[in-house]
Amino acid sequence: DVKVTQSSRYLVKRTGEKVFLECVQDMDHENMFWYRQDPGLGLRLIYFSYDVKMKEKGDIPEGYSVSREKKERFSLILESASTNQTSMYLCASSFSGTQYFGPGTRLTVL
Amino acid sequence: GEDVEQSLFLSVREGDSSVINCTYTDSSSTYLYWYKQEPGAGLQLLTYIFSNMDMKQDQRLTVLLNKKDKHLSLRIADTQTGDSAIYFCAEIHPSGGYNKLIFGAGTRLAVHP
Repeated sequence: DVKVTQSSRYLVKRTGEKVFLECVQDMDHENMFWYRQDPGLGLRLIYFSYDVKMKEKGDIPEGYSVSREKKERFSLILESASTNQTSMYLCASSFSGTQYFGPGTRLTVL
Repeated sequence: GEDVEQSLFLSVREGDSSVINCTYTDSSSTYLYWYKQEPGAGLQLLTYIFSNMDMKQDQRLTVLLNKKDKHLSLRIADTQTGDSAIYFCAEIHPSGGYNKLIFGAGTRLAVHP
């Protein structure tokens, strides 16, 4: 079974803090993705990576950056968290098209 | 353009069948997916169908694909309270040499006694 884990289920941060969200997959997948999910807006792609050290912007990259130093790990970074980044963050990995998701991190920025 | 549409809410009685509908726009999509999300959790892959198929059955789940109308449906037989969740339809969209998934907004299924 594919396993995708995320470092925290719930996180509370203050405005202006630097925030790291970590995602790890154990299936040697090439592709990894970060989404945010907001009520009424569905899932929106923030960034994805198709190989180590490679990244591509998704639909809403503003205010975020990513890091992929190892194949199994994909990090999402909020350089200076803002209240409008309060959301559910979902990580996924895939080999071809099928994506497998982690449990999500619910981030609250106060 | 890329767009996947679903109705937002469906309410059914326990034991009845549920049918969740989805329309998509990209006729070149090779795979179409159904994901399930329970409260506070990530998305769980339920099933998928290849675009050259009309139907796929997996236990209580039946997926129907009408390529001409770009319409996908998920039927859940004998719906149980444990089926209460949000169901997302998604299509593959090639983007710059990579496969991107385009998701619908999700259909919230409520199962009542």
